[in-house]
This record gives sequence, structure tokens and C-alpha cells, in this order.
Amino acid sequence: NAGVTQTPKFQVLKTGQSMTLQCAQDMNHNSMYWYRQDPGMGLRLIYYSASEGTTDKGEVPNGYNVSRLNKREFSLRLESAAPSQTSVYFCASSERAHTGETQYFGPGTRLLVL
Amino acid sequence: RKEVEQDPGPFNVPEGATVAFNCTYSNSASQSFFWYRQDCRKEPKLLMSVYSSGNEDGRFTAQLNRASQYISLLIRDSKLSDSATYLCVALSGGYNKLIFGAGTRLAVHP
Repeated sequence: NAGVTQTPKFQVLKTGQSMTLQCAQDMNHNSMYWYRQDPGMGLRLIYYSASEGTTDKGEVPNGYNVSRLNKREFSLRLESAAPSQTSVYFCASSERAHTGETQYFGPGTRLLVL
Repeated sequence: RKEVEQDPGPFNVPEGATVAFNCTYSNSASQSFFWYRQDCRKEPKLLMSVYSSGNEDGRFTAQLNRASQYISLLIRDSKLSDSATYLCVALSGGYNKLIFGAGTRLAVHP
């Protein structure tokens, strides 16, 4: 039982490049989330998917797109990376959204945009 | 103003000490509260939920004061392994999403 997995662990991009961060969970959770964590800012919600087939914007969605590929997988895409997107990205999942149920986090992806 | 605010610390305490962190929240409609723990360069993990009546889990005690809009975490008999960042989290009353504080760093030394 791996929980929540993320790939890659580290990535360096040049400004304007694109990439997709992958996330998968094996807990049969309905809801999945993407956060970014910056020093002094706390975790901020980028996008979430309350259930398979739905996605919604969070607090900081600009510059990102998401795809809920199936119940297990939720990907985050940066179409044209900017230095302001340098951050640590965490994927999380929970049984249901909007209830405060425990969210389980993946190990994170450290992204540097030059 | 941030919706959830914490003192960033660090709190440097010796083993065996008692340490307390406070956290304030601005949205009076916030419904539920939690403490998450995050080790250095790792993912956050739920430490405990915070109930209105206060609750205890071993050496950890969480309290909620709705009138003053703050929550607290008390750690008794600190261990070296308690060194981490503690994240205060509120379930936002506005749109039912988790709002994370920036965290309070605790360093326990021998």
C-alpha cells in the first residue's frame, strides 16, 4: 500500500518550458488535490477534484491545468513555466472533499524554474 | 491578513520541556480545525483534530477557543523526535476547503 505517489521528485525547467506532474493514490479515495508550498506562505490549494470527472479551481490556479485521468490519478500541468512557479508541489487525497477529512499527502515534487 | 496565522518560531526547547503553540484564524465561520506535522523536506501528516471541548492524545493536547478565534497545541515531555514544523489548519467556512497556516518550527535539543 504505497498511499500517494508523485513523480518526478525533482525537476529543473527553463522559463517557458512545459511539464506535467503526476500523482496517483491507491486508497480508493474520491477526492484529490494539488497544493504548492512556499517559504512563509503555508500550503496553498491550486486545483482539486472532488470526484472522478470533476475539477475545480483553488486559491492559486493561474498558470496551471489539471486532469483527473481516473479515480487513481490526478495530474498537474504547467504549460509555460515561470520563475514564480518555483515551489514544492504536493498532491493529496481524501475520502471526500469539503468535509475536513484527513488528507494524505504525497512526498512532493521540488520544482526550480530558471 | 492571512486566514490562519502562526508564529513561525523556531521554538528551541530542551528535552523534557513543555511547549505550547498558538494559532489564530480570521474566519469566524471556520468549522473544524486540525494540527498537521511536517518533518523537514517531507510531506505534512495529520497529528490530531481539534475538538471544541479540547482533546488529548498522549503527550499532545489541543484546545479551541471560538470566542477569541484561536487554537493551541501543547506538547508535554518533549522528545527529540518532536522536532518538526507544526501546521495549524482550518476548514474554511466559506468554501469548505482546508486553509493551512505557514507553520511553527519546533527544535528539541538534548
